Amino acid sequence: DAGVIQSPRHEVTEMGQEVTLRCKPISGHDYLFWYRQTMMRGLELLIYFNNNVPIDDSGMPEDRFSAKMPNASFSTLKIQPSEPRDSAVYFCASSFGRGINQPQHFGDGTRLSIL
Amino acid sequence: GQSLEQPSEVTAVEGAIVQINCTYQTSGFYGLSWYQQHDGGAPTFLSYNALDGLEETGRFSSFLSRSDSYGYLLLQELQMKDSASYFCAVRGSQGNLIFGKGTKLSVKP
Repeated sequence: DAGVIQSPRHEVTEMGQEVTLRCKPISGHDYLFWYRQTMMRGLELLIYFNNNVPIDDSGMPEDRFSAKMPNASFSTLKIQPSEPRDSAVYFCASSFGRGINQPQHFGDGTRLSIL
Repeated sequence: GQSLEQPSEVTAVEGAIVQINCTYQTSGFYGLSWYQQHDGGAPTFLSYNALDGLEETGRFSSFLSRSDSYGYLLLQELQMKDSASYFCAVRGSQGNLIFGKGTKLSVKP
């Protein structure tokens, strides 16, 4: 089975540009999570979806960030306009169910650098 | 709110046993998980505890004491490839995970 697929793997762009990160969850998984990881703040949950519906977006830092999940096999995280402090590794993860025994499967991440 | 505390770094030698502790504060408890992340890689699931006691998976074991809001990950027969960061995480009421800041384990020859 293919794992969680994220694209692009690396993104370098200038401040002010729009950035779109993409994620394809594992087929059949009903939960999708977006995380951001930095040295200072660790692994932070930004937003998560259940059956394509956003459940909790309280981790989204500000209005510049938005996420969508138009169908069960695709999600995007958009930053507009981007700022240098958005530089981080962004992970997408999916799981089947929400029990503690249902592991979250992470993609390889997108390493984002905003100049 | 929810918070987790774990040591930032641990160093051990190959073949040894190491224990990584995690204490948590949660408004409701639904289980404790452990994830491993190698440098430049993605977090991968190791184990979980929903009830008190020890869960063993090969060289790795995880322990939970709900009364003490405490758990640990035990790694035995350490290998160089075990050098990685280890995260404990608690599950929120709606299925989300809240991660600790991670413990960087360095295994020396």
